[in-house]
Amino acid sequence: QQQVKQSPQSLIVQKGGISIINCAYENTAFDYFPWYQQFPGKGPALLIAIRPDVSEKKEGRFTISFNKSAKQFSLHIMDSQPGDSATYFCAASMFPGSGNTGKLIFGQGTTLQVKP
Amino acid sequence: DVKVTQSSRYLVKRTGEKVFLECVQDMDHENMFWYRQDPGLGLRLIYFSYDVKMKEKGDIPEGYSVSREKKERFSLILESASTNQTSMYLCASSLDRRSNQPQHFGDGTRLSIL
Repeated sequence: QQQVKQSPQSLIVQKGGISIINCAYENTAFDYFPWYQQFPGKGPALLIAIRPDVSEKKEGRFTISFNKSAKQFSLHIMDSQPGDSATYFCAASMFPGSGNTGKLIFGQGTTLQVKP
Repeated sequence: DVKVTQSSRYLVKRTGEKVFLECVQDMDHENMFWYRQDPGLGLRLIYFSYDVKMKEKGDIPEGYSVSREKKERFSLILESASTNQTSMYLCASSLDRRSNQPQHFGDGTRLSIL
């Protein structure tokens, strides 16, 4: 019940296309859903995050879509660029308090390659 | 800008050795975390700490221990290294546990156990 399932494991997109990465969770107590981006040789860095009180959050070319009833959320990268080539991780956590630790549960990761 | 520094980028050790991985953060963060990253498995939490001398087990603590004697430093210890501990190890820190602060990661230590 603590798992976050991420798909696909790898993704190849042409420059200018839309990249879509999906995540699903079971625990309805999760209330914070960040996405992290990791370039080769670097640690992951926070890209964008959403709470379940909104269905969509957009920052530049990156959009999170959230479907609370389906317990799914996804990352959309519009106008994908070769510089977006990286590994992307979704994650989930419960808000700290009432015994919750607030630790992040990460998905399995998606390696995105954007071809020029 | 938060900086999380891991002492080694690459490390090669032998089976049975005691291995120390060091992590230092420079932003006075309360929380620190150790993960291992393996292809297809994502990031798995080994141990975390919310305060000096405090530690809590993550999802895969077996074969590992940690030490946090100072707020800025969090060490991961492999008591007796085994080949299945060959992996990328990532340290992270976050401000505190009162809200969902972003985790800031180091660039990782790639550990090979021969």
